[in-house]
Amino acid sequence: QQQVKQSPQSLIVQKGGISIINCAYENTAFDYFPWYQQFPGKGPALLIAIRPDVSEKKEGRFTISFNKSAKQFSLHIMDSQPGDSATYFCAASRNSGAGSYQLTFGKGTKLSVIP
Amino acid sequence: EAQVTQNPRYLITVTGKKLTVTCSQNMNHEYMSWYRQDPGLGLRQIYYSMNVEVTDKGDVPEGYKVSRKEKRNFPLILESPSPNQTSLYFCASRGIAGGLDNEQFFGPGTRLTVL
Repeated sequence: QQQVKQSPQSLIVQKGGISIINCAYENTAFDYFPWYQQFPGKGPALLIAIRPDVSEKKEGRFTISFNKSAKQFSLHIMDSQPGDSATYFCAASRNSGAGSYQLTFGKGTKLSVIP
Repeated sequence: EAQVTQNPRYLITVTGKKLTVTCSQNMNHEYMSWYRQDPGLGLRQIYYSMNVEVTDKGDVPEGYKVSRKEKRNFPLILESPSPNQTSLYFCASRGIAGGLDNEQFFGPGTRLTVL
């Protein structure tokens, strides 16, 4: 059972455009939702994260939108640049109970930003 | 510099020949974990450890062993590797004290090929 579903699998965006990646989760016990960015040949690195008590978090050109009732969250990359070309993973975690601190990852989205 | 290191970075071996991939972190993190990354399947957790001498299975533990004798080290052991264990492996660590928002850090990855 896949607990975090991520779409699309791949995304091509023109430079300057908006990239949008969506994730949906099933476990209502999740209370921490990070996004990771992975460049080829590197390990994933934390990009931005959100807790369910806020509906939006912005850091520079990157914004997470969170909809608790729909159990969905998304990453928006404004003014996308070729340097943003990478694989993006959403994830979810819980702070208590069975499986605490374990990150459950989506399957990833390969973003290509073309000039 | 805070980091997770893995060795070796690349390994080609043959079926049945025992191997160990080492992982070390210098951040005094309690939580450590191993993932494998395969095309189209994202990051899947193999084993994790909440602290010294405390380990537990992740989603895909078959064919793998781990140990946590020291807080900083978390080796991954393949006692009889098979071709279906050809994959890209990542070690990760995360602090627990202070709550859920602690960032999970990933190592640079180990690309394993089993012939």
